[in-house]
Amino acid sequence: DQQVKQNSPSLSVQEGRISILNCDYTNSMFDYFLWYKKYPAEGPTFLISISSIKDKNEDGRFTVFLNKSAKHLSLHIVPSQPGDSAVYFCAARPFYNQGGKLIFGQGTELSVKP
Amino acid sequence: NAGVTQTPKFQVLKTGQSMTLQCAQDMNHEYMSWYRQDPGMGLRLIHYSVGAGITDQGEVPNGYNVSRSTTEDFPLRLLSAAPSQTSVYFCASSYNREWDTEAFFGQGTRLTVV
Repeated sequence: DQQVKQNSPSLSVQEGRISILNCDYTNSMFDYFLWYKKYPAEGPTFLISISSIKDKNEDGRFTVFLNKSAKHLSLHIVPSQPGDSAVYFCAARPFYNQGGKLIFGQGTELSVKP
Repeated sequence: NAGVTQTPKFQVLKTGQSMTLQCAQDMNHEYMSWYRQDPGMGLRLIHYSVGAGITDQGEVPNGYNVSRSTTEDFPLRLLSAAPSQTSVYFCASSYNREWDTEAFFGQGTRLTVV
């Protein structure tokens, strides 16, 4: 029972264009969502987060959108750069668990081509 | 500032052997957790702890034990290794509060059980 789903295993984008990574969730108890980036042979690193009381959060080239009614969030990267090539995981936290108990999606491998 | 440190980085075990994966953090985080990463499965939560002396099970706890005697350390024990436990293991830590609870991850331990 996958509560957080990333249905696209991979995505290829041209440098300078927009990358859009999608994530769906099934549990309405989630109240906090995060995106992580992972390079090979390294641990995941935090990228950006959004709470369920917001529908958008921006940090430089990265923007996360949350559509609670559709139980969907997306990460936009504009403009995409070759250094953005990595695996991106979305994660969700149940509201009754403060702290870092996170449920992760399967990941999407982003390739940004020069 | 070391962050989250995992040892060893690589390990090969024979079926039935036992071992302990070490995890230490120096950020005074209350919350610590263990995940395993398998192809196509994302990161799955094994066990977590909200503070010294308190642990709980995650999504895939079978075959693993944990204890938390100090704030800094959260070892993961495999009592009798099985090939199904071949995976990459990540330890993470975070603050235990309502917001800004992004988890910080270690570099990972790649475990092979033969």
